[in-house]
Amino acid sequence: EAGVAQSPRYKIIEKRQSVAFWCNPISGHATLYWYQQILGQGPKLLIQFQNNGVVDDSQLPKDRFSAERLKGVDSTLKIQPAKLEDSAVYLCASSLVGGRETQYFGPGTRLLVL
Amino acid sequence: AQKITQTQPGMFVQEKEAVTLDCTYDTSDQSYGLFWYKQPSSGEMIFLIYQGSYDEQNATEGRYSLNFQKARKSANLVISASQLGDSAMYFCAMREKQDQAGTALIFGKGTTLSVSS
Repeated sequence: EAGVAQSPRYKIIEKRQSVAFWCNPISGHATLYWYQQILGQGPKLLIQFQNNGVVDDSQLPKDRFSAERLKGVDSTLKIQPAKLEDSAVYLCASSLVGGRETQYFGPGTRLLVL
Repeated sequence: AQKITQTQPGMFVQEKEAVTLDCTYDTSDQSYGLFWYKQPSSGEMIFLIYQGSYDEQNATEGRYSLNFQKARKSANLVISASQLGDSAMYFCAMREKQDQAGTALIFGKGTTLSVSS
């Protein structure tokens, strides 16, 4: 069974530029999560989708971050304009609905904002 | 207040020895789940083991076991017979309202484990 796919793996941009990350969850997983992991810390939830609806985006900086999950499968996370403090690893995870809802993670995108 | 506390920034162990990574949690929910993940230097978070708040037995998965002490709100990970490949960052995480769908994980700050030969 294929795992969670993410691209790109690495991205370097200048501050004030825009960037987009893509995630393809495990087939059949209705719930998709985007986490931000700053160096030396644990992941922090940015946004959670169930199918193509938003469940929780309370920690998403909506003035610069946006995310969508069209057709309830793939998702895109965008940052516009980027700030230096956005340098982090962006992790995508997916899970089934109900029960343990164990989350399975993709390899992450490492973003460096200069 | 921190929901998940991992007090050991780094741990060092020799190959074949056992090691315990500490995790304490804070929740007022009765139904919750506790998870441990491993994050190698490649960056991917790998699920290791799960313990539900109503589970009476401690969870085990191969060389991993979870020492669950509900009254003390601790969920320590025990790795038996450490291997060089166990060197990584380890995260404890909690999902509150486990009886409801759609609540996300809350992570601790992690513990770096280094295994030497």
